[in-house]
Amino acid sequence: DAGVIQSPRHEVTEMGQEVTLRCKPISGHNSLFWYRQTMMRGLELLIYFNNNVPIDDSGMPEDRFSAKMPNASFSTLKIQPSEPRDSAVYFCASSFLWAGEQKTKLFFGSGTQLSVL
Amino acid sequence: AQSVTQLDSQVPVFEEAPVELRCNYSSSVSVYLFWYVQYPNQGLQLLLKYLSGSTLVKGINGFEAEFNKSQTSFHLRKPSVHISDTAEYFCAVSGRSGNTPLVFGKGTRLSVIA
Repeated sequence: DAGVIQSPRHEVTEMGQEVTLRCKPISGHNSLFWYRQTMMRGLELLIYFNNNVPIDDSGMPEDRFSAKMPNASFSTLKIQPSEPRDSAVYFCASSFLWAGEQKTKLFFGSGTQLSVL
Repeated sequence: AQSVTQLDSQVPVFEEAPVELRCNYSSSVSVYLFWYVQYPNQGLQLLLKYLSGSTLVKGINGFEAEFNKSQTSFHLRKPSVHISDTAEYFCAVSGRSGNTPLVFGKGTRLSVIA
C-alpha cells in the first residue's frame, strides 16, 4: 500500500495567491482528516470527513479556508487568498471509519510545507 | 470536548538513559489514548494506544505507557534510549463514543545525546 499521499511536498507562494493542497487517502479508508502544524499551536485539526461528508469543520480558521472531498480517493484543502500567517505544515490523515470502537489509528501523509511570503 | 497537555516541550537525555515524557488529558467522557512519533520531515506514526484492559500498554521500539485514570495521565517511558529515538512525540486523546476526532498535545521534542 502506498500510504496517504500528499502533494505538493513544498509550496512557496506570495501573499494573496490561491493555494491548493491535495490528499489521496489509503484505499478503503473512509475517514479523512486535515491537520495544521505550527511551532506555536502544535497540531490543530482543521476538518474531517466520514464517507466524503464533512463532519466537523470547526477548526477551519476562517472563510479563506475551504476543503472538499468529491470522492473517496481524493481531497483538497484550499486557501484563498493566502496570508503569511498561514505558513505551516499541513497534514492529511486517513483511517477506517472513525467511530466508536473502530477508532484504531490514523495514517498520516508526509505533509505539505507551505510558506507564504 | 477533550484536551491534552504535554508538560515538557523539550527533553534532552543521554543515550542509554531512561526517559519519561509526560501527558495529562482532560475529558468529561471516557477516552482512548495514543502516543504518536514524528521523525524529521515525516508524518506521524502510531507508537502505542490504550483502548481498554491493562493500564500498561507496550508499543513499538521498546516504548510503554501507563494509563492512570485518577491522575488523568498517560505518561510515555523507555528504560534505555537510543540516538534513533530522537524525534517529536505527541500524546493524543479521543472520546470513546461517536466520531469525536483525535486531539493532539503540542508535542515533546526528545533529543538523545551521545
